[in-house]
Amino acid sequence: EAQVTQNPRYLITVTGKKLTVTCSQNMNHEYMSWYRQDPGLGLRQIYYSMNVEVTDKGDVPEGYKVSRKEKRNFPLILESPSPNQTSLYFCASSLTGVPYGNEQFFGPGTRLTVL
Amino acid sequence: DQQVKQNSPSLSVQEGRISILNCDYTNSMFDYFLWYKKYPAEGPTFLISISSIKDKNEDGRFTVFLNKSAKHLSLHIVPSQPGDSAVYFCAAKKAAGNKLTFGGGTRVLVKP
Repeated sequence: EAQVTQNPRYLITVTGKKLTVTCSQNMNHEYMSWYRQDPGLGLRQIYYSMNVEVTDKGDVPEGYKVSRKEKRNFPLILESPSPNQTSLYFCASSLTGVPYGNEQFFGPGTRLTVL
Repeated sequence: DQQVKQNSPSLSVQEGRISILNCDYTNSMFDYFLWYKKYPAEGPTFLISISSIKDKNEDGRFTVFLNKSAKHLSLHIVPSQPGDSAVYFCAAKKAAGNKLTFGGGTRVLVKP
Protein backbone atom coordinates (compact mmCIF):
# COMPACT_ATOMS: atom_id res chain seq x y z
CA GLU A 1 0.00 0.00 0.00
CA ALA A 2 1.33 3.40 -1.02
CA GLN A 3 1.74 5.52 2.07
CA VAL A 4 3.63 8.12 4.03
CA THR A 5 4.34 7.14 7.62
CA GLN A 6 5.31 9.39 10.49
CA ASN A 7 6.59 8.53 13.95
CA PRO A 8 5.77 9.21 16.64
CA ARG A 9 2.12 10.17 16.17
CA TYR A 10 2.01 11.94 19.51
CA LEU A 11 4.86 13.41 21.54
CA ILE A 12 5.02 15.48 24.70
CA THR A 13 8.46 16.83 25.54
CA VAL A 14 10.15 19.62 27.46
CA THR A 15 11.91 22.74 26.28
CA GLY A 16 15.43 22.13 25.02
CA LYS A 17 15.29 18.36 24.68
CA LYS A 18 16.31 17.41 21.16
CA LEU A 19 13.86 15.33 19.21
CA THR A 20 13.42 13.81 15.78
CA VAL A 21 10.18 13.10 13.94
CA THR A 22 10.67 10.49 11.27
CA CYS A 23 8.96 10.42 7.87
CA SER A 24 9.14 7.61 5.37
CA GLN A 25 7.46 6.98 2.02
CA ASN A 26 7.34 3.80 -0.03
CA MET A 27 6.50 5.29 -3.42
CA ASN A 28 9.98 6.23 -4.64
CA HIS A 29 8.95 9.89 -4.59
CA GLU A 30 11.57 12.54 -5.20
CA TYR A 31 9.82 15.48 -3.52
CA MET A 32 9.20 15.50 0.22
CA SER A 33 8.21 18.29 2.55
CA TRP A 34 7.26 19.13 6.12
CA TYR A 35 4.37 21.34 7.20
CA ARG A 36 3.05 22.53 10.49
CA GLN A 37 -0.63 23.21 11.05
CA ASP A 38 -1.74 25.84 13.52
CA PRO A 39 -5.26 27.16 14.16
CA GLY A 40 -6.20 29.92 11.74
CA LEU A 41 -2.86 29.71 9.94
CA GLY A 42 -3.46 26.55 7.94
CA LEU A 43 -0.46 24.54 6.84
CA ARG A 44 2.85 26.33 6.62
CA GLN A 45 5.80 24.74 4.90
CA ILE A 46 8.89 24.23 7.05
CA TYR A 47 11.37 22.56 4.69
CA TYR A 48 11.23 20.67 1.45
CA SER A 49 13.52 18.38 -0.49
CA MET A 50 13.64 17.95 -4.24
CA ASN A 51 15.78 14.80 -4.02
CA VAL A 52 18.50 13.09 -2.00
CA GLU A 53 20.90 15.62 -0.46
CA VAL A 54 18.83 18.53 -1.85
CA THR A 55 16.87 20.45 0.77
CA ASP A 56 15.58 24.01 0.99
CA LYS A 57 13.78 26.27 3.40
CA GLY A 58 10.06 26.74 3.32
CA ASP A 59 8.19 29.62 4.93
CA VAL A 60 8.89 28.83 8.60
CA PRO A 61 12.26 27.03 8.88
CA GLU A 62 13.52 28.67 12.08
CA GLY A 63 14.22 26.15 14.83
CA TYR A 64 14.09 23.12 12.53
CA LYS A 65 16.58 21.01 10.64
CA VAL A 66 16.09 18.30 8.04
CA SER A 67 18.21 15.79 6.19
CA ARG A 68 17.66 13.67 3.10
CA LYS A 69 20.28 10.94 3.03
CA GLU A 70 17.97 8.36 1.49
CA LYS A 71 15.16 8.89 -0.97
CA ARG A 72 12.50 7.32 1.24
CA ASN A 73 13.28 9.15 4.51
CA PHE A 74 13.01 12.80 5.45
CA PRO A 75 13.37 13.30 9.23
CA LEU A 76 12.50 16.57 10.94
CA ILE A 77 14.88 17.54 13.74
CA LEU A 78 14.21 19.99 16.54
CA GLU A 79 17.58 20.63 18.18
CA SER A 80 16.20 22.69 21.05
CA PRO A 81 12.40 22.65 21.03
CA SER A 82 10.48 25.58 22.42
CA PRO A 83 6.80 25.94 23.37
CA ASN A 84 6.05 27.89 20.17
CA GLN A 85 6.85 24.72 18.24
CA THR A 86 3.84 23.01 19.78
CA SER A 87 1.87 22.12 16.69
CA LEU A 88 0.52 19.42 14.39
CA TYR A 89 3.15 18.35 11.88
CA PHE A 90 2.61 16.73 8.50
CA CYS A 91 5.06 15.13 6.15
CA ALA A 92 4.15 14.90 2.48
CA SER A 93 5.64 13.43 -0.67
CA SER A 94 5.06 13.58 -4.39
CA LEU A 95 6.71 12.04 -7.41
CA THR A 96 8.47 15.12 -8.75
CA GLY A 97 8.30 18.72 -7.62
CA VAL A 98 5.37 20.55 -6.12
CA PRO A 99 2.25 18.64 -6.99
CA TYR A 100 -0.36 19.78 -9.46
CA GLY A 101 -2.97 17.44 -8.14
CA ASN A 102 -3.60 14.14 -6.48
CA GLU A 103 -0.05 12.93 -6.68
CA GLN A 104 0.85 14.42 -3.30
CA PHE A 105 0.41 12.15 -0.32
CA PHE A 106 0.34 13.34 3.27
CA GLY A 107 1.26 11.40 6.36
CA PRO A 108 -1.22 11.07 9.24
CA GLY A 109 0.37 13.82 11.31
CA THR A 110 2.42 14.12 14.50
CA ARG A 111 0.96 16.05 17.42
CA LEU A 112 3.85 17.67 19.29
CA THR A 113 3.55 19.43 22.62
CA VAL A 114 6.56 21.25 24.06
CA LEU A 115 6.21 22.16 27.75
CA ASP B 1 1.48 38.26 6.07
CA GLN B 2 -0.79 35.53 4.75
CA GLN B 3 -0.77 35.42 0.96
CA VAL B 4 -3.68 32.98 0.85
CA LYS B 5 -6.67 33.66 3.06
CA GLN B 6 -9.85 31.81 3.83
CA ASN B 7 -11.91 34.37 5.68
CA SER B 8 -14.66 32.04 6.85
CA PRO B 9 -13.32 29.72 9.56
CA SER B 10 -16.49 27.65 9.57
CA LEU B 11 -19.57 26.90 7.52
CA SER B 12 -22.72 24.98 8.37
CA VAL B 13 -25.02 23.70 5.65
CA GLN B 14 -27.99 21.40 5.36
CA GLU B 15 -27.56 18.09 3.57
CA GLY B 16 -28.48 18.38 -0.09
CA ARG B 17 -27.80 22.12 -0.27
CA ILE B 18 -24.83 23.89 -1.80
CA SER B 19 -21.64 24.58 0.17
CA ILE B 20 -19.58 27.54 -1.05
CA LEU B 21 -16.07 27.98 0.30
CA ASN B 22 -14.07 31.08 -0.53
CA CYS B 23 -10.36 31.78 -0.82
CA ASP B 24 -8.53 35.03 -1.59
CA TYR B 25 -4.91 35.50 -2.53
CA THR B 26 -2.64 38.49 -2.78
CA ASN B 27 0.30 37.27 -4.84
CA SER B 28 -0.29 37.68 -8.58
CA MET B 29 2.55 35.23 -9.26
CA PHE B 30 0.38 32.31 -8.15
CA ASP B 31 -0.67 30.38 -11.23
CA TYR B 32 -2.08 27.13 -9.90
CA PHE B 33 -4.55 26.51 -7.11
CA LEU B 34 -5.54 23.40 -5.21
CA TRP B 35 -8.15 22.42 -2.65
CA TYR B 36 -7.49 19.83 0.02
CA LYS B 37 -9.87 18.12 2.39
CA LYS B 38 -8.88 17.04 5.88
CA TYR B 39 -10.66 14.76 8.32
CA PRO B 40 -9.68 14.68 12.01
CA ALA B 41 -6.62 12.56 12.81
CA GLU B 42 -5.76 12.21 9.12
CA GLY B 43 -3.51 14.03 6.70
CA PRO B 44 -5.00 16.29 4.02
CA THR B 45 -6.08 14.70 0.76
CA PHE B 46 -6.24 16.37 -2.62
CA LEU B 47 -9.71 17.34 -3.81
CA ILE B 48 -9.58 19.45 -6.96
CA SER B 49 -7.31 21.97 -8.67
CA ILE B 50 -7.39 24.72 -11.27
CA SER B 51 -4.83 26.38 -13.47
CA SER B 52 -4.80 30.16 -13.88
CA ILE B 53 -5.56 29.76 -17.58
CA LYS B 54 -9.01 28.45 -16.68
CA ASP B 55 -11.88 29.98 -14.78
CA LYS B 56 -13.70 26.79 -13.89
CA ASN B 57 -12.92 23.15 -13.20
CA GLU B 58 -15.49 20.53 -12.33
CA ASP B 59 -15.16 17.06 -10.84
CA GLY B 60 -18.40 15.38 -9.89
CA ARG B 61 -20.04 17.31 -7.06
CA PHE B 62 -17.05 19.65 -6.73
CA THR B 63 -16.47 22.74 -8.85
CA VAL B 64 -13.77 25.33 -8.41
CA PHE B 65 -14.13 28.82 -9.85
CA LEU B 66 -11.26 31.22 -10.35
CA ASN B 67 -11.58 34.99 -10.74
CA LYS B 68 -8.07 36.20 -11.50
CA SER B 69 -8.92 39.87 -11.62
CA ALA B 70 -10.35 39.66 -8.12
CA LYS B 71 -7.68 37.21 -6.94
CA HIS B 72 -10.46 35.03 -5.66
CA LEU B 73 -11.39 31.39 -5.95
CA SER B 74 -14.30 29.43 -4.61
CA LEU B 75 -15.17 25.78 -4.14
CA HIS B 76 -18.77 24.68 -4.67
CA ILE B 77 -20.02 21.37 -3.34
CA VAL B 78 -23.39 20.34 -4.74
CA PRO B 79 -25.20 18.57 -3.23
CA SER B 80 -23.52 18.58 0.16
CA GLN B 81 -23.40 15.28 2.00
CA PRO B 82 -22.66 14.47 5.66
CA GLY B 83 -19.39 12.83 4.57
CA ASP B 84 -18.25 16.22 3.29
CA SER B 85 -17.96 17.45 6.88
CA ALA B 86 -14.25 18.23 7.15
CA VAL B 87 -11.75 21.07 7.08
CA TYR B 88 -11.01 22.40 3.59
CA PHE B 89 -7.78 24.17 2.69
CA CYS B 90 -7.03 26.09 -0.45
CA ALA B 91 -3.42 26.25 -1.59
CA ALA B 92 -1.52 28.10 -4.30
CA LYS B 93 1.76 27.72 -6.12
CA LYS B 94 3.86 29.87 -8.41
CA ALA B 95 4.92 28.76 -11.86
CA ALA B 96 8.61 28.78 -11.02
CA GLY B 97 8.36 27.79 -7.38
CA ASN B 98 8.70 24.62 -5.37
CA LYS B 99 6.39 25.56 -2.53
CA LEU B 100 2.71 25.38 -1.75
CA THR B 101 1.14 28.21 0.24
CA PHE B 102 -1.98 27.27 2.17
CA GLY B 103 -4.91 29.22 3.52
CA GLY B 104 -6.09 28.92 7.11
CA GLY B 105 -8.84 26.43 6.37
CA THR B 106 -12.65 26.38 6.57
CA ARG B 107 -14.41 23.83 8.72
CA VAL B 108 -17.57 22.56 7.01
CA LEU B 109 -20.39 20.87 8.87
CA VAL B 110 -23.11 19.24 6.81
CA LYS B 111 -26.19 18.58 8.89
CA PRO B 112 -28.45 15.64 8.00
